[in-house]
Amino acid sequence: ETGVTQSPTHLIKTRGQQVTLRCSSQSGHNTVSWYQQALGQGPQFIFQYYREEENGRGNFPPRFSGLQFPNYSSELNVNALELDDSALYLCARNPGRGSEETQYFGPGTRLLVL
Amino acid sequence: RKEVEQDPGPFNVPEGATVAFNCTYSNSASQSFFWYRQDCRKEPKLLMSVYSSGNEDGRFTAQLNRASQYISLLIRDSKLSDSATYLCVVGHNDMRFGAGTRLTVKP
Repeated sequence: ETGVTQSPTHLIKTRGQQVTLRCSSQSGHNTVSWYQQALGQGPQFIFQYYREEENGRGNFPPRFSGLQFPNYSSELNVNALELDDSALYLCARNPGRGSEETQYFGPGTRLLVL
Repeated sequence: RKEVEQDPGPFNVPEGATVAFNCTYSNSASQSFFWYRQDCRKEPKLLMSVYSSGNEDGRFTAQLNRASQYISLLIRDSKLSDSATYLCVVGHNDMRFGAGTRLTVKP
């Protein structure tokens, strides 16, 4: 049990809409990462938040944005949804800087864009 | 060239077989390496870290060759429960995943 929860578990949106996905960690970690996993692919790094600031970003356009809150919960926002945004979105709690421990994932949110 | 490349698979093996997965990575400065396992419609879960000297965890052996930028995973005495997708991962905070190799172990 990773102690990372995500909501909702599934979501259907139409092209052009906006979506907000949520992530929380039982034991509060100050670093969280988000990944996108398209069908048949490995997860792709979207961005990481450390102490409420973006701390690294993968090759994703600005319409992918995030927030991290003082209680270490996090949101991923995607604007102007495209069909290719259909994927499993994974949140991972990070061990934090200086730690050798690896990341642990939540169960993910499955997004379908029609 | 993709940052992390894996055998495309799929691998279909009988119970008890030994199976090996290979992975190459492009960033020679990478310092952290892992194998994750992902069951169908589930999140990836850490299988094992990969150390320069090679490491073993029961039936699983991981090896790293920094000069060739190559990582491997060996599974001995395959069990039905080993059926999953195995993901090669490079990096620590911004992890880079391979596309995964699907393994099916059959009775």
